Amino acid sequence: DVKVTQSSRYLVKRTGEKVFLECVQDMDHENMFWYRQDPGLGLRLIYFSYDVKMKEKGDIPEGYSVSREKKERFSLILESASTNQTSMYLCASMGGSYIQYFGAGTRLSVL
Amino acid sequence: SQQGEEDPQALSIQEGENATMNCSYKTSINNLQWYRQNSGRGLVHLILIRSNEREKHSGRLRVTLDTSKKSSSLLITASRAADTASYFCATDSFGNEKLTFGTGTRLTIIP
Repeated sequence: DVKVTQSSRYLVKRTGEKVFLECVQDMDHENMFWYRQDPGLGLRLIYFSYDVKMKEKGDIPEGYSVSREKKERFSLILESASTNQTSMYLCASMGGSYIQYFGAGTRLSVL
Repeated sequence: SQQGEEDPQALSIQEGENATMNCSYKTSINNLQWYRQNSGRGLVHLILIRSNEREKHSGRLRVTLDTSKKSSSLLITASRAADTASYFCATDSFGNEKLTFGTGTRLTIIP
C-alpha cells in the first residue's frame, strides 16, 4: 500500500512565523502535490512537483513556496504565515496511473 | 479553478438504501475519478473511469460517465453507516497530470 505521511496533524502558529509542512511518500512516485481545503471551496492546488527540484505553481501559489530536494519528500513553506492561511493542507503523490494518494492532512491555525 | 461540481451538496439516507451523487464538469477530460474523505482526514481513491468508458463497477460502487453531457454519477448500493463521508469527483485532461476536484457531496447514512 502507498503511504503518504504528513509530519503534523495539527499545527498552531502565530502571524508572521515561517511554517514548514512536510510530506513523505514511500512509493517512488514522480509527482507530488500540495492542496488546501476550505469549506465550500473544495480542494485547491497550491504547488506540484513532477521531479526532484522541479516545481510548478498551481491555482493559488501566492504566499507559499515549496522544496523538493529528494524524490520522496515535498515540503510546503509559508514564508510569513497570515490568518487567511488557516486551513486544512493535504499532500498527495501520484505515479503513472493518474490516481493520487493522500496523506491524512495537516490542520493549520494561524493566530 | 473548479472543474467539477457535485450534486447534491448534501444527502441523508437510511442505512440499506442506495445513494446517488452526480458530478458535472466543463472541459474535455481524459479520466474521471471519485474519491471519499472521512471527516478531517485525507482523500481515498475509489474508482477511475476513462473517457472512452461508459460504466464501471467496483464492489457496491457503480460509476457512469456521459461525455456528451459532461457528467458522471456515483451510485453506492446497500449503504452502510461506514459510507458516511464526503465524496469528490476529480478530472484530468490529456497530457496534464493535475487533477481538478469538485466541491464534494456530503453523504450521511442514518442507522
